[in-house]
Amino acid sequence: NAGVTQTPKFRVLKTGQSMTLLCAQDMNHEYMYWYRQDPGMGLRLIHYSVGEGTTAKGEVPDGYNVSRLKKQNFLLGLESAAPSQTSVYFCASSYAYEQYFGPGTRLTVT
Amino acid sequence: GEDVEQSLFLSVREGDSSVINCTYTDSSSTYLYWYKQEPGAGLQLLTYIFSNMDMKQDQRLTVLLNKKDKHLSLRIADTQTGDSAIYFCAEGNAGNNRKLIWGLGTSLAVNP
Repeated sequence: NAGVTQTPKFRVLKTGQSMTLLCAQDMNHEYMYWYRQDPGMGLRLIHYSVGEGTTAKGEVPDGYNVSRLKKQNFLLGLESAAPSQTSVYFCASSYAYEQYFGPGTRLTVT
Repeated sequence: GEDVEQSLFLSVREGDSSVINCTYTDSSSTYLYWYKQEPGAGLQLLTYIFSNMDMKQDQRLTVLLNKKDKHLSLRIADTQTGDSAIYFCAEGNAGNNRKLIWGLGTSLAVNP
């Protein structure tokens, strides 16, 4: 039981490049979330999903897209990366209210 | 909108008790959580309390909830250097699609 895993762990992008972050969970959770964490800003919700095939916007969705084609996977896409998207990205999943987090992806956009 | 507030820093000596405080505004909170984040790692669920409880104890951790004042605290007894981390308070309610409202986190430094 791996819990929540995130791929990749680190990535450096140039401005304008695109990439996809993968989140996978093996706990059969319905709910999945993408957050970004920046110094002094705490955790901010980017997008979330309440079940396979659904997505919804969080508080900072601009510049990101998501997909939940399979229940166990939640993908976060950056179509045209900007330096303001330099951050640590966390994925989480939940069955009830408590959320279980992945180890994070550290993304730097130069 | 709803808000969760925490003090940003706390410094204690090894062996002392630590008390981390949190206030929230949502009067319909159902669950309140404490998460721990060690450097370079994800968030780990430490403990939680239902809104109809006043206290919950789990080994060295004691959670106190004052629902009238919307105040939550986490007490760590016999604090160790391994407890140095950022502690996040979060609250959730039934009407919010399982989304949690997060505090900014309290950085706990434990000095030997």
